[in-house]
Amino acid sequence: SQQGEEDPQALSIQEGENATMNCSYKTSINNLQWYRQNSGRGLVHLILIRSNEREKHSGRLRVTLDTSKKSSSLLITASRAADTASYFCATDEGGSYIPTFGRGTSLIVHP
Amino acid sequence: DAGVIQSPRHEVTEMGQEVTLRCKPISGHNSLFWYRQTMMRGLELLIYFNNNVPIDDSGMPEDRFSAKMPNASFSTLKIQPSEPRDSAVYFCASSFGTPDNEQFFGPGTRLTVL
Repeated sequence: SQQGEEDPQALSIQEGENATMNCSYKTSINNLQWYRQNSGRGLVHLILIRSNEREKHSGRLRVTLDTSKKSSSLLITASRAADTASYFCATDEGGSYIPTFGRGTSLIVHP
Repeated sequence: DAGVIQSPRHEVTEMGQEVTLRCKPISGHNSLFWYRQTMMRGLELLIYFNNNVPIDDSGMPEDRFSAKMPNASFSTLKIQPSEPRDSAVYFCASSFGTPDNEQFFGPGTRLTVL
């Protein structure tokens, strides 16, 4: 089944910097979700953005969706060491309503 | 709410043995998902239940894998016989409403097959 693909695979930044990661997909979607996974833990939902939305905010997180480019971006502003985790996008491509997850972006924030 | 509960958290077994993983979804949620996560293949959906009925089991790798959901508060994933390549972290997740809504993940079961 189709799945979103995150880019970059890994990202290393200093505390206080912004982190941007991207997700691309191939067909149409109903919505796109971003999740975080800390080492050794289950995934935690961050934001869901629907196909008719262009931008959503949650605290220091900002998600954009460009359906014409079939891509989404997750921006974490003023990053903290606690933001160190893997970030996944999940897309329900092809009208399946069942989301599939990408391989994730590994973010390391150095204190 | 305690969240999604999985047991055991860790399982070490020998090749050929039967393994049963358990999941208790969040009360009121009507969708339940079983995933497998490995470095090589990432996070794979194994099976999806809606209202206790298996809707999509296309991700179940082989007949050695089976899953049941006898009621709204309990599900099992069984591997019989287990093989070393089944070693992975297995996650259960639940959600309310349509399957593309926010999912709540359990802490996972780390399975090692020797």
